[in-house]
Amino acid sequence: DAKTTQPPSMDCAEGRAANLPCNHSTISGNEYVYWYRQIHSQGPQYIIHGLKNNETNEMASLIITEDRKSSTLILPHATLRDTAVYYCIVKISGNTPLVFGKGTRLSVIA
Amino acid sequence: ETGVTQTPRHLVMGMTNKKSLKCEQHLGHNAMYWYKQSAKKPLELMFVYNFKEQTENNSVPSRFSPECPNSSHLFLHLHTLQPEDSALYLCASSQGSIGYNEQFFGPGTRLTVL
Repeated sequence: DAKTTQPPSMDCAEGRAANLPCNHSTISGNEYVYWYRQIHSQGPQYIIHGLKNNETNEMASLIITEDRKSSTLILPHATLRDTAVYYCIVKISGNTPLVFGKGTRLSVIA
Repeated sequence: ETGVTQTPRHLVMGMTNKKSLKCEQHLGHNAMYWYKQSAKKPLELMFVYNFKEQTENNSVPSRFSPECPNSSHLFLHLHTLQPEDSALYLCASSQGSIGYNEQFFGPGTRLTVL
C-alpha cells in the first residue's frame, strides 16, 4: 500500500506556480521522498527526490518539512505540458521498487 | 529518449493466443521491473529482477510469465489471458547502487484482450 496521501486533483493557471502537497506521516528515517509524473498513457517520469533538505533541479523544487511528515512539490511556472498525474512516493534507496498510489491529477489551464 | 524501449506499443490478442512483450534498456542498469496499469487504477508492481534473478513476484497469476535472459532484456510471456488483463504494461529499469534512485520507464505496451 502507498504510504502517502495526496489530493486527487488540482488546477493551476498557466504561468503560475503549482504547489502539490503530500503527506507521509509514517515515513522512516532512511526513506526518501520521490516525485514522479505520468502524462496521459505514457510511462512515469522522474522529477525529483530528497531525504531531509530542500532540493531544486531544472524541473521543480521539493520542500520537505523539518519533521519530514509532509512535503510540497513546486513547479515554478506551470505550462500546459505539465498537465499530468503527479505521484509522491516514499521508499528506501537502491533497487527497491516504487509503490504508486493514486497521485494528484494536475490540470494546467490557459 | 528514455533509454528504455518496449515492443510492441499496441497489442490485441484473443484469450487463446500466446504473445510476448519485450523490454530493452540501454542504460547499463542491473534491475528491471514490470508494472501493470489498468484503467483508472494506480500502477501495480508485477515482477522485479535484480542481476537477472527474480527477486519479487507480486502474486501475479501464472498466465503471466516473465523472463530475464540478461540485464538489458526483459520479457513478459502471455497465455490464456482474460479480458480484465487489458491494461498498459510498463517496464522500468534502475541502477543498483545505494544513493542512485531513479527508475526509468519505457513508453508501455497497450494490451487489449478480446
